[in-house]
Amino acid sequence: QVTLKESGPGLVKPTQTLTLTCTLSGFSLSAGGVRVSWIRQSPGKALEWLARIDWDDDKVYSSSLMTRLTISKGTSDNQVVLTMTNMDPVDTGTYYCARSGLALYNYFDSWGPGTPVTVSS
Amino acid sequence: EIVLAQSPGTLSLSPGERATLSCRASQDVRSNYLAWYQLKPGQAPRLLIYGASNRATGIPDRFSGSGSGTDFTLTISRLEPEDFAVYSCQQYVRSPYTFGQGTKLEI
Repeated sequence: QVTLKESGPGLVKPTQTLTLTCTLSGFSLSAGGVRVSWIRQSPGKALEWLARIDWDDDKVYSSSLMTRLTISKGTSDNQVVLTMTNMDPVDTGTYYCARSGLALYNYFDSWGPGTPVTVSS
Repeated sequence: EIVLAQSPGTLSLSPGERATLSCRASQDVRSNYLAWYQLKPGQAPRLLIYGASNRATGIPDRFSGSGSGTDFTLTISRLEPEDFAVYSCQQYVRSPYTFGQGTKLEI
């Protein structure tokens, strides 16, 4: 069974760096064609795609946030880590990780339940 | 960036009725690389439709998708109580992978 699970600090202060971890189960990021993305939803706003990492370590970022984001594999092929620097209250929301594939399979077929992030002093 | 506009913002219907949700893209969505998701509070988003018209695994056949180019539709033929949720379309032609703002389906 394919599952993803996000974890994070819940609360960060403005200007701090956020670190989120996505733990994968039932599949591996080392398998060819596998991609994992981070997506967020701020209150009252649409889902927003943030970044993607591929099985071959290729990485793609949202152009509006790329100076603040870093996506990487964790200590094992079953973890994906996202860091976001210089956090601001507008970054408050629920952060999801999701799996996708290549080309015509590039939709998000499995998602984690999300982890809430509040940015407040 | 491809902008997706969903309409209506809110749709009020009753169980048993038919729901028609629209998603319009600002540019051609090549090869119909468009997906629909169901969002419920506290739950993982659920993939319903990919490739504009293909039901994902385990999705009931009351859900159907259609359209091409810039205009896409999600239809729920007979609403069940568990279908009342927010629905979001998404293009995966190229990054940034963008989502519509969502349609809230309420009783």
